[in-house]
Amino acid sequence: GDSVTQMEGPVTLSEEAFLTINCTYTATGYPSLFWYVQYPGEGLQLLLKATKADDKGSNKGFEATYRKETTSFHLEKGSVQVSDSAVYFCALSNSTDKLIFGTGTRLQVFP
Amino acid sequence: NAGVTQTPKFQVLKTGQSMTLQCAQDMNHEYMSWYRQDPGMGLRLIHYSVGAGITDQGEVPNGYNVSRSTTEDFPLRLLSAAPSQTSVYFCASSQTGELFFGEGSRLTVL
Repeated sequence: GDSVTQMEGPVTLSEEAFLTINCTYTATGYPSLFWYVQYPGEGLQLLLKATKADDKGSNKGFEATYRKETTSFHLEKGSVQVSDSAVYFCALSNSTDKLIFGTGTRLQVFP
Repeated sequence: NAGVTQTPKFQVLKTGQSMTLQCAQDMNHEYMSWYRQDPGMGLRLIHYSVGAGITDQGEVPNGYNVSRSTTEDFPLRLLSAAPSQTSVYFCASSQTGELFFGEGSRLTVL
Protein backbone atom coordinates (compact mmCIF):
# COMPACT_ATOMS: atom_id res chain seq x y z
CA GLY A 1 0.00 0.00 0.00
CA ASP A 2 0.91 3.67 -0.07
CA SER A 3 3.40 4.85 2.53
CA VAL A 4 5.59 7.77 3.56
CA THR A 5 9.04 7.53 5.13
CA GLN A 6 10.64 10.44 6.97
CA MET A 7 14.05 10.84 8.52
CA GLU A 8 14.27 10.14 12.23
CA GLY A 9 14.54 13.06 14.58
CA PRO A 10 15.14 15.08 16.47
CA VAL A 11 16.94 17.45 14.16
CA THR A 12 18.86 19.97 16.26
CA LEU A 13 20.12 23.18 14.64
CA SER A 14 21.40 26.58 15.59
CA GLU A 15 19.46 29.63 14.50
CA GLU A 16 20.15 30.65 10.86
CA ALA A 17 21.35 27.16 9.91
CA PHE A 18 20.16 25.40 6.75
CA LEU A 19 17.43 22.80 7.20
CA THR A 20 16.69 19.65 5.25
CA ILE A 21 14.15 17.05 6.34
CA ASN A 22 14.05 14.06 4.03
CA CYS A 23 10.80 12.48 2.87
CA THR A 24 10.30 9.64 0.41
CA TYR A 25 7.09 7.94 -0.59
CA THR A 26 5.66 4.79 -2.13
CA ALA A 27 2.41 5.17 -4.01
CA THR A 28 0.50 4.08 -7.05
CA GLY A 29 -0.44 6.68 -9.59
CA TYR A 30 0.30 10.34 -9.08
CA PRO A 31 -0.34 11.39 -5.48
CA SER A 32 -0.42 14.89 -4.07
CA LEU A 33 2.27 15.58 -1.49
CA PHE A 34 2.08 17.71 1.63
CA TRP A 35 4.09 19.01 4.54
CA TYR A 36 2.20 19.70 7.76
CA VAL A 37 3.63 21.35 10.88
CA GLN A 38 2.58 20.80 14.50
CA TYR A 39 3.59 23.39 17.08
CA PRO A 40 3.61 22.34 20.75
CA GLY A 41 0.13 21.73 22.13
CA GLU A 42 -1.59 22.37 18.81
CA GLY A 43 -3.11 20.43 15.94
CA LEU A 44 -1.43 20.06 12.58
CA GLN A 45 -1.59 22.81 9.99
CA LEU A 46 -0.70 22.74 6.33
CA LEU A 47 2.72 24.18 5.56
CA LEU A 48 2.94 23.56 1.82
CA LYS A 49 1.85 21.17 -0.90
CA ALA A 50 2.56 20.03 -4.45
CA THR A 51 0.11 18.25 -6.71
CA LYS A 52 2.23 17.08 -9.64
CA ALA A 53 5.77 16.16 -10.57
CA ASP A 54 8.34 19.00 -10.55
CA ASP A 55 5.94 21.31 -8.68
CA LYS A 56 7.57 23.32 -5.90
CA GLY A 57 5.53 24.14 -2.84
CA SER A 58 6.65 27.06 -0.68
CA ASN A 59 5.50 28.94 2.39
CA LYS A 60 7.13 30.93 5.22
CA GLY A 61 10.59 30.37 3.71
CA PHE A 62 10.13 26.60 3.50
CA GLU A 63 10.29 24.82 0.15
CA ALA A 64 9.82 21.30 -1.17
CA THR A 65 9.96 19.96 -4.74
CA TYR A 66 7.94 16.97 -5.95
CA ARG A 67 10.54 14.61 -7.47
CA LYS A 68 8.82 11.69 -9.15
CA GLU A 69 12.06 10.12 -10.39
CA THR A 70 13.34 9.77 -6.81
CA THR A 71 9.88 9.57 -5.16
CA SER A 72 10.93 12.33 -2.78
CA PHE A 73 9.56 15.55 -1.31
CA HIS A 74 12.32 16.90 0.92
CA LEU A 75 11.61 19.98 3.05
CA GLU A 76 14.22 22.77 3.05
CA LYS A 77 14.69 26.19 4.61
CA GLY A 78 17.69 28.40 4.12
CA SER A 79 17.80 29.98 7.59
CA VAL A 80 15.81 28.53 10.48
CA GLN A 81 14.53 30.48 13.46
CA VAL A 82 13.77 29.42 17.01
CA SER A 83 10.09 29.84 16.16
CA ASP A 84 10.40 27.03 13.57
CA SER A 85 10.82 24.48 16.37
CA ALA A 86 7.98 22.02 15.84
CA VAL A 87 7.18 18.55 14.50
CA TYR A 88 7.01 18.29 10.72
CA PHE A 89 4.94 15.64 8.94
CA CYS A 90 5.20 14.59 5.33
CA ALA A 91 2.00 13.18 3.83
CA LEU A 92 0.54 11.95 0.57
CA SER A 93 -2.93 11.63 -0.86
CA ASN A 94 -4.15 9.53 -3.74
CA SER A 95 -7.76 10.57 -3.19
CA THR A 96 -9.30 13.92 -2.57
CA ASP A 97 -8.91 14.14 1.20
CA LYS A 98 -7.59 10.85 2.62
CA LEU A 99 -4.02 11.49 3.75
CA ILE A 100 -1.29 9.05 4.73
CA PHE A 101 1.26 10.56 7.09
CA GLY A 102 4.88 9.85 7.88
CA THR A 103 5.98 9.41 11.48
CA GLY A 104 7.00 13.04 11.90
CA THR A 105 10.37 14.72 12.46
CA ARG A 106 10.95 16.95 15.46
CA LEU A 107 13.00 20.08 14.77
CA GLN A 108 14.69 21.91 17.64
CA VAL A 109 16.31 25.26 16.90
CA PHE A 110 18.53 26.89 19.51
CA PRO A 111 19.58 30.56 19.65
CA ASN B 1 -13.92 31.72 13.06
CA ALA B 2 -13.91 28.50 15.15
CA GLY B 3 -12.78 26.00 12.46
CA VAL B 4 -12.64 22.49 13.94
CA THR B 5 -13.58 22.17 17.61
CA GLN B 6 -12.85 19.05 19.66
CA THR B 7 -14.05 18.23 23.16
CA PRO B 8 -12.90 17.24 25.69
CA LYS B 9 -9.23 18.25 25.51
CA PHE B 10 -8.25 15.76 28.22
CA GLN B 11 -9.96 12.61 29.50
CA VAL B 12 -8.99 9.75 31.80
CA LEU B 13 -10.96 6.51 31.56
CA LYS B 14 -10.85 3.14 33.25
CA THR B 15 -10.63 0.01 31.17
CA GLY B 16 -14.07 -0.99 29.94
CA GLN B 17 -15.65 2.45 30.20
CA SER B 18 -17.25 4.07 27.18
CA MET B 19 -17.05 7.65 26.01
CA THR B 20 -17.55 9.91 23.02
CA LEU B 21 -15.08 12.41 21.62
CA GLN B 22 -16.94 15.28 20.03
CA CYS B 23 -15.91 17.04 16.83
CA ALA B 24 -17.65 19.96 15.14
CA GLN B 25 -16.67 22.12 12.18
CA ASP B 26 -18.23 25.34 10.93
CA MET B 27 -16.69 25.45 7.45
CA ASN B 28 -19.38 23.37 5.74
CA HIS B 29 -16.79 20.76 4.75
CA GLU B 30 -18.08 17.47 3.39
CA TYR B 31 -15.07 15.40 4.40
CA MET B 32 -14.26 14.72 8.06
CA SER B 33 -11.89 12.25 9.66
CA TRP B 34 -10.42 11.01 12.91
CA TYR B 35 -6.73 10.25 13.46
CA ARG B 36 -4.81 9.00 16.42
CA GLN B 37 -1.26 10.15 17.09
CA ASP B 38 1.16 7.86 18.88
CA PRO B 39 4.91 8.31 19.48
CA GLY B 40 6.99 7.00 16.60
CA MET B 41 3.92 6.15 14.52
CA GLY B 42 2.75 9.47 13.17
CA LEU B 43 -0.95 9.89 12.53
CA ARG B 44 -3.09 6.91 11.67
CA LEU B 45 -6.55 7.20 10.17
CA ILE B 46 -9.33 5.67 12.29
CA HIS B 47 -12.55 6.50 10.43
CA TYR B 48 -13.61 9.04 7.87
CA SER B 49 -16.76 10.43 6.28
CA VAL B 50 -17.29 11.95 2.85
CA GLY B 51 -20.64 13.45 3.78
CA ALA B 52 -23.66 13.22 6.06
CA GLY B 53 -24.85 9.65 6.39
CA ILE B 54 -21.65 8.15 4.93
CA THR B 55 -18.77 6.73 6.97
CA ASP B 56 -15.94 4.33 6.25
CA GLN B 57 -13.06 2.66 8.03
CA GLY B 58 -9.50 3.86 7.95
CA GLU B 59 -6.29 2.08 8.89
CA VAL B 60 -7.06 1.38 12.59
CA PRO B 61 -10.86 1.24 13.09
CA ASN B 62 -11.15 -1.55 15.66
CA GLY B 63 -12.66 -0.44 18.98
CA TYR B 64 -14.12 2.78 17.55
CA ASN B 65 -17.48 3.73 16.09
CA VAL B 66 -18.52 6.86 14.24
CA SER B 67 -21.67 8.38 12.80
CA ARG B 68 -22.35 11.44 10.66
CA SER B 69 -25.91 12.64 11.05
CA THR B 70 -25.09 16.25 10.10
CA THR B 71 -22.42 17.95 8.00
CA GLU B 72 -21.09 19.75 11.08
CA ASP B 73 -20.62 16.92 13.59
CA PHE B 74 -18.54 13.74 13.54
CA PRO B 75 -18.34 12.09 16.99
CA LEU B 76 -15.96 9.22 17.76
CA ARG B 77 -17.20 6.59 20.20
CA LEU B 78 -15.13 4.19 22.26
CA LEU B 79 -17.48 1.42 23.33
CA SER B 80 -15.19 -0.36 25.81
CA ALA B 81 -11.94 1.49 26.37
CA ALA B 82 -8.64 -0.41 26.47
CA PRO B 83 -5.16 0.78 27.53
CA SER B 84 -4.06 0.42 23.88
CA GLN B 85 -6.40 3.31 23.08
CA THR B 86 -4.35 5.74 25.16
CA SER B 87 -3.41 8.33 22.57
CA VAL B 88 -3.96 11.82 21.26
CA TYR B 89 -6.92 12.01 18.93
CA PHE B 90 -7.30 14.57 16.16
CA CYS B 91 -10.38 15.38 14.17
CA ALA B 92 -9.96 17.01 10.76
CA SER B 93 -12.18 18.37 8.01
CA SER B 94 -11.47 19.13 4.37
CA GLN B 95 -13.14 20.32 1.21
CA THR B 96 -10.36 20.68 -1.34
CA GLY B 97 -7.55 18.43 -0.15
CA GLU B 98 -6.24 20.60 2.69
CA LEU B 99 -7.01 19.13 6.10
CA PHE B 100 -7.95 21.48 8.93
CA PHE B 101 -7.24 19.92 12.33
CA GLY B 102 -8.71 20.44 15.74
CA GLU B 103 -6.41 20.97 18.72
CA GLY B 104 -6.59 17.35 19.80
CA SER B 105 -8.04 15.28 22.64
CA ARG B 106 -5.60 13.51 24.94
CA LEU B 107 -7.10 10.25 26.22
CA THR B 108 -5.60 8.07 28.91
CA VAL B 109 -7.04 4.64 29.63
CA LEU B 110 -5.96 3.10 32.93
